[in-house]
Amino acid sequence: GAGVSQSPRYKVTKRGQDVALRCDPISGHVSLYWYRQALGQGPEFLTYFNYEAQQDKSGLPNDRFSAERPEGSISTLTIQRTEQRDSAMYRCASSRGGNTKDTQYFGPGTRLLVL
Amino acid sequence: AQSVAQPEDQVNVAEGNPLTVKCTYSVSGNPYLFWYVQYPNRGLQFLLKYITGDNLVKGSYGFEAEFNKSQTSFHLKKPSALVSDSALYFCAVRDINGNNRLAFGKGNQVVVIP
Repeated sequence: GAGVSQSPRYKVTKRGQDVALRCDPISGHVSLYWYRQALGQGPEFLTYFNYEAQQDKSGLPNDRFSAERPEGSISTLTIQRTEQRDSAMYRCASSRGGNTKDTQYFGPGTRLLVL
Repeated sequence: AQSVAQPEDQVNVAEGNPLTVKCTYSVSGNPYLFWYVQYPNRGLQFLLKYITGDNLVKGSYGFEAEFNKSQTSFHLKKPSALVSDSALYFCAVRDINGNNRLAFGKGNQVVVIP
């Protein structure tokens, strides 16, 4: 089936604005993950869900960042009052189950630029 | 805490020559290890993983990787590189007794010279 999709692919916003990034996982995948990737670095974990339950949000940098997955499928990562340091590639991944053996499959990412 | 080191920024190799991309890891328990590849303007694509069993793991596009517990390494290899293998390669680790987060290395740019 289709892979992980993310929208928008690119987002330019002004400092202080709120943004919402969307992730649509592979159909039937139980787990969904959010990562952030700065230029020249590997992805860094933000948060993850099993079904609709947020299992770990310890990677969220501060309380301006939040995520939800209300129906256990599509997820939204919201950044409030954006700052320039929030500029990065935001990557979503999904896996078939919640087991640590399971492969995470990544979407194309959303590149966020905060002016 | 789990972490990955990819010591080289860029790996240059001539087309047809063997390709090796190095990765060492640190976990408190036993590891699950992954390699991903990123092509320009594309997402991360899964190449292969080590879970248990044979230390030599074969993956997509002719790539393989060898798990070495004593050296805490999981180097990616390809016997004969293609120009189309030029991309950014990421190694990642999970602790099997830990949470589901992947810890990634900073990535290695591979350039295959025709």
